[in-house]
Amino acid sequence: AQSVAQPEDQVNVAEGNPLTVKCTYSVSGNPYLFWYVQYPNRGLQFLLKYITGDNLVKGSYGFEAEFNKSQTSFHLKKPSALVSDSALYFCAVTLDGRYSTLTFGKGTMLLVSP
Amino acid sequence: NAGVTQTPKFRILKIGQSMTLQCTQDMNHNYMYWYRQDPGMGLKLIYYSVGAGITDKGEVPNGYNVSRSTTEDFPLRLELAAPSQTSVYFCASSDSGLAAQFFGPGTRLTVL
Repeated sequence: AQSVAQPEDQVNVAEGNPLTVKCTYSVSGNPYLFWYVQYPNRGLQFLLKYITGDNLVKGSYGFEAEFNKSQTSFHLKKPSALVSDSALYFCAVTLDGRYSTLTFGKGTMLLVSP
Repeated sequence: NAGVTQTPKFRILKIGQSMTLQCTQDMNHNYMYWYRQDPGMGLKLIYYSVGAGITDKGEVPNGYNVSRSTTEDFPLRLELAAPSQTSVYFCASSDSGLAAQFFGPGTRLTVL
């Protein structure tokens, strides 16, 4: 079975400060990891994914994520937060199989204050 | 290029009523998915399809049915609505199981 944990329900950051949204995973095998963002009353939007290779993955809107196999983590980061980054962020994991489906975490609300 | 479209946007059902949530994508994606989102619970996969004529259950399939007769359409059927099916429903599509998924705007369903 595969699972994802997002230990923080909410993260508060001041605009201009770096932000980190945490994600840990559990799978039997090599994971494929994703981050999605959801703005109010909208569907989810893809931010970035880790398949293999470089542990630091760069994605949309200046976000990046670091894959750490020993800590089974895939934290989302951004060097300088914007108020417009305020949204709900989801981490997701899957394995490469015949029919791969994503397992999502519960989500972390990011609030960036001016 | 509309991406993934869903209808209706909102719906209120009475217990025991039936309805179909429509989903259409214009990206020629093979994979399509139905999720439900409940507050604080993330997204749960209801059903998915890897191509026309092929569907399979996800994590929470009870009370729902799907069909996939074309690449573009993936309707979700609720046969006997129950209050536990009050949720926001999202349809998504992707090239493959490892590709980025594109989500529709969602359908907010209330069962009273």
